[in-house]
Amino acid sequence: DTEVTQTPKHLVMGMTNKKSLKCEQHMGHRAMYWYKQKAKKPPELMFVYSYEKLSINESVPSRFSPECPNSSLLNLHLHALQPEDSALYLCASSQDGVKQETQYFGPGTRLLVL
Amino acid sequence: GEDVEQSLFLSVREGDSSVINCTYTDSSSTYLYWYKQEPGAGLQLLTYIFSNMDMKQDQRLTVLLNKKDKHLSLRIADTQTGDSAIYFCAEGEGSSASKIIFGSGTRLSIRP
Repeated sequence: DTEVTQTPKHLVMGMTNKKSLKCEQHMGHRAMYWYKQKAKKPPELMFVYSYEKLSINESVPSRFSPECPNSSLLNLHLHALQPEDSALYLCASSQDGVKQETQYFGPGTRLLVL
Repeated sequence: GEDVEQSLFLSVREGDSSVINCTYTDSSSTYLYWYKQEPGAGLQLLTYIFSNMDMKQDQRLTVLLNKKDKHLSLRIADTQTGDSAIYFCAEGEGSSASKIIFGSGTRLSIRP
């Protein structure tokens, strides 16, 4: 099973809302990632968790708050977002994030902030 | 800093071969990747190559790596309409185990 699942597929939220994106993998991977992808652009790394600890935060605004409750799950909590945060949010996982290794991506959550 | 460059568009006739080219800058990358993204979808790992290899073949896909010139290519034989997508070249960032640097993506369109 090389599948990474993400929910919801689509999300529309107002600037005052609080919502969460969820990601799950059952490949036994110990590294999980959040990426943001704007239209016609490549994915941009936001956060990396390795062994349930945050190892990389690419200077992401605090209105995005990641959480890794266990090795299979990764959440992204959203609060007070701006319209420019509208994008496709992609989750990925890899073996452990300690060495260069292949990342497997989920289908993404398409977020629209009104 | 690290950079990955690709041409933005490629149009090929159905049944012909497609060749998508990419140049990268980080000579310490261990892995180089090709990802495919169909409209509205996530990224699908197509194939990858270790930096100590020159070529890798997987069914209709052939990856060629020229380390001296830091040039990577993806050849798709017998291109089909289902191959229409954006293809991202990516390199593992040498200084950080977790980071992948993506190119801007090449949009492949198939004409009948």
